[in-house]
Amino acid sequence: GAVVSQHPSRVICKSGTSVKIECRSLDFQATTMFWYRQFPKKSLMLMATSNEGSKATYEQGVEKDKFLINHASLTLSTLTVTSAHPEDSSFYICSARDGRKETQYFGPGTRLLVL
Amino acid sequence: GEDVEQSLFLSVREGDSSVINCTYTDSSSTYLYWYKQEPGAGLQLLTYIFSNMDMKQDQRLTVLLNKKDKHLSLRIADTQTGDSAIYFCAETVGNAGNMLTFGGGTRLMVKP
Repeated sequence: GAVVSQHPSRVICKSGTSVKIECRSLDFQATTMFWYRQFPKKSLMLMATSNEGSKATYEQGVEKDKFLINHASLTLSTLTVTSAHPEDSSFYICSARDGRKETQYFGPGTRLLVL
Repeated sequence: GEDVEQSLFLSVREGDSSVINCTYTDSSSTYLYWYKQEPGAGLQLLTYIFSNMDMKQDQRLTVLLNKKDKHLSLRIADTQTGDSAIYFCAETVGNAGNMLTFGGGTRLMVKP
């Protein structure tokens, strides 16, 4: 089946630094990618919708200057957590939409810990 | 707005059937999904149902959809310890590749 990868799978960083998370669709072109955030023992909350070649659409309450999303190509979207703080520690999951099949595939997630 | 709700916890004995329930509010939902999340892992799509269906069976999994009551259930037959995980229901409106709205997740514990 279709595969979506995320890199890194786990990252620990100091408060104030920026962290970039990559989401790649490995065998299909993703016209749209979604970024979700999951808090411990909580459900997934949509952060933003990323369309290739255009600006991301952020959900209410998500700071676009804090969570920078770049969907540079049909196979890659990046989420950069800028000036990370401990409250940004979370599990970030991306999904990619296969436009040919109208199906969405999830990445394995990236666990971010900000010290 | 959209809202998807699930009970938090379910405990069953190995070999029994598990039924996980989900309710949603958006009557324009087109696809409804069940995902499984094991500890520390991402989401695994288990099955999905199109809104014009009322039942779908896939091996040990049976999905029932009551569109009138906006109620979705996942039945796992002969539940095994490896089924212990968090199960999320989710809905989407329009095409299957659109954004998903997730329920809070039901933690299934299977006792040997």
